[in-house]
Amino acid sequence: GENVEQHPSTLSVQEGDSAVIKCTYSDSASNYFPWYKQELGKGPQLIIDIRSNVGEKKDQRIAVTLNKTAKHFSLHITETQPEDSAVYFCAASDTGGFKTIFGAGTRLFVKA
Amino acid sequence: SAVISQKPSRDICQRGTSLTIQCQVDSQVTMMFWYRQQPGQSLTLIATANQGSEATYESGFVIDKFPISRPNLTFSTLTVSNMSPEDSSIYLCSADRLAGTYNEQFFGPGTRLTVL
Repeated sequence: GENVEQHPSTLSVQEGDSAVIKCTYSDSASNYFPWYKQELGKGPQLIIDIRSNVGEKKDQRIAVTLNKTAKHFSLHITETQPEDSAVYFCAASDTGGFKTIFGAGTRLFVKA
Repeated sequence: SAVISQKPSRDICQRGTSLTIQCQVDSQVTMMFWYRQQPGQSLTLIATANQGSEATYESGFVIDKFPISRPNLTFSTLTVSNMSPEDSSIYLCSADRLAGTYNEQFFGPGTRLTVL
């Protein structure tokens, strides 16, 4: 079955710097890769996703890249702000949600 | 995106008792899921709640322990039965909504369960 590995487990950056979180997956059939942000005491919130037919997608300060050949995808947050501090989860699925496998999570700290 | 609510938001229960968690989606959805999240951990899928039929459980989870209902396309319940302290966790309801040719998955706020 699918396995998703996520690195790093913890990331600390200075406000204004960039943050990069990387994930790898094992199942070549996976074709949908969402990213979730989970703040303390809340459920995960979908922040951006990428489908297998594109290599990059950007939404304001957030961008995701996908390399299907290498089976890895990344989340890039630019100009980080303290409110970006949260746990971020990557995920992969083959039919868009029917069997979504989550990474272990990255705890991001943005220091003011 | 779909709005998902869960009740209760948190509870403290005695071992041996059962708790039913309710999940309400603000619109009809295709799939509903129940996850467990241990403190500081990732999400583990318990089961897929199927409308009009029995839930599909993942390895390590059984119906007797986690009975699930889904009477319609917007509502589901998860019961944690005969609880022990090991069941202390966050329980998350999730739903899919079709976005083009893919299903986007959304989560409720979670139910924080503590078993004494």
